[in-house]
Parts: sequence; C-alpha cells; structure tokens
Amino acid sequence: AQKVTQVQTEISVVEKEDVTLDCVYETRDTTYYLFWYKQPPSGELVFLIRRNSFDEQNEISGRYSWNFQKSTSSFNFTITASQVVDSAVYFCALRNALTGGGNKLTFGTGTQLKVEL
Amino acid sequence: NAGVTQTPKFQVLKTGQSMTLQCAQDMNHNSMYWYRQDPGMGLRLIYYSASEGTTDKGEVPNGYNVSRLNKREFSLRLESAAPSQTSVYFCASSEVPVGVGQPQHFGDGTRLSIL
Repeated sequence: AQKVTQVQTEISVVEKEDVTLDCVYETRDTTYYLFWYKQPPSGELVFLIRRNSFDEQNEISGRYSWNFQKSTSSFNFTITASQVVDSAVYFCALRNALTGGGNKLTFGTGTQLKVEL
Repeated sequence: NAGVTQTPKFQVLKTGQSMTLQCAQDMNHNSMYWYRQDPGMGLRLIYYSASEGTTDKGEVPNGYNVSRLNKREFSLRLESAAPSQTSVYFCASSEVPVGVGQPQHFGDGTRLSIL
C-alpha cells in the first residue's frame, strides 16, 4: 500500500516570508513519481511539478523549490518570499510506476497556506 | 484550449435522486479519472478508465457507476444519492495509462450537495 502524509494542516505566514510545506510518502516500489498540485481559492487543481524516484536533484522554478530526499522519503516544497497569490491548498501526490491499469495518484490531505499582508 | 470540462459546476439533489456528472477532455488523453474531495481527506479516487473501453474501481467506488462513452468523455453516475455523497467531484485525464508518470490534468470541479 502507498501513503502520502502532509502533517501541516494549515500554515499562516506574512508576505515575503519563506515557507516550507512538508510531504512524507510510503511505498514499497523502487520506481515511483511524486507530484505537487496547487488548489487556489477558485477551486481548480494546478499541476506544479513531477519528480521521478531515480532523480534526486532538487529543482527550482522562480520562487518555488523542491527538495526530494529518498533517504527520508520526503518531497518538501519551499516558497521563497511568499506572496498573497500563493495562498492556496497544496497537495502532494504519489504514483507507483509499476502499478498497472491507470496512472492512479494517491494524494495527501493537503496543506492550507495563508499568506497575509 | 478547454482541457478538461466538467458539467454541471453546482448541483443540489434530494436524497434518493439520481444524477450524472459529465466530463470531457480535448487533449486526446487515454486515461480518465473521477475523484471526490472532502474536507481534511484530500482527493480520493472513485473510478478510473485506463483507456477507452475499460473502467476500474478506485478507493471509494460504492454508490457510483461510470461510463467511458468514448475517448473524450467519462461520466459519473449517482443512482440513488445519499447525504454522504455531498462533496466536490473532480474529473482528470492523463496522457498515458502507465509508465512515465505523466501529470493528471483536472477539471474545475462539480460542487454537489445532497439534502
């Protein structure tokens, strides 16, 4: 069985602060994919990033960065210099590469990020 | 460039009524999915269709049926709605059924209330 845990239910920061959203996963497979999605107040789900289990390079995209560590089964997401527009629910998700029958994702319960002025 | 389109966006039903949620994608994706989102529980997979002509149960299939009408369309049916099915429903699609971990693309959701 696979599982994704996001222990932070809600985080509040003041604009321009840095914030890290934690994601811990469990899987028995050696090949898998990890994802982050953003759900702004408008409700849609926006894909942010995908990471393969065999690629542990960290990635940076503007103010966003992701730290993937297989040793601790974590895939954390950091927003640098947060802005009010970053306020959203962020979901971490896992897909095992060898699972047949569809590209099924297992989602964490999400972290509500509130960025205030 | 519509992506994944869900209809309706909002619906209120009475207990026992039936309803079909519609989903269509214009990205020529093979796989399609239905999720429900409930507070504190993230997204849970109801049913999925790895490719046209196939459907399979996900994590929470009870009380639902699906139809993969063609490659573009994947509908979700509640035969006899129950208050426990009050939720936000998301349809998603992805490019390949297995292997390379293509991201899923989501519709805007259907907010369903059952009284």
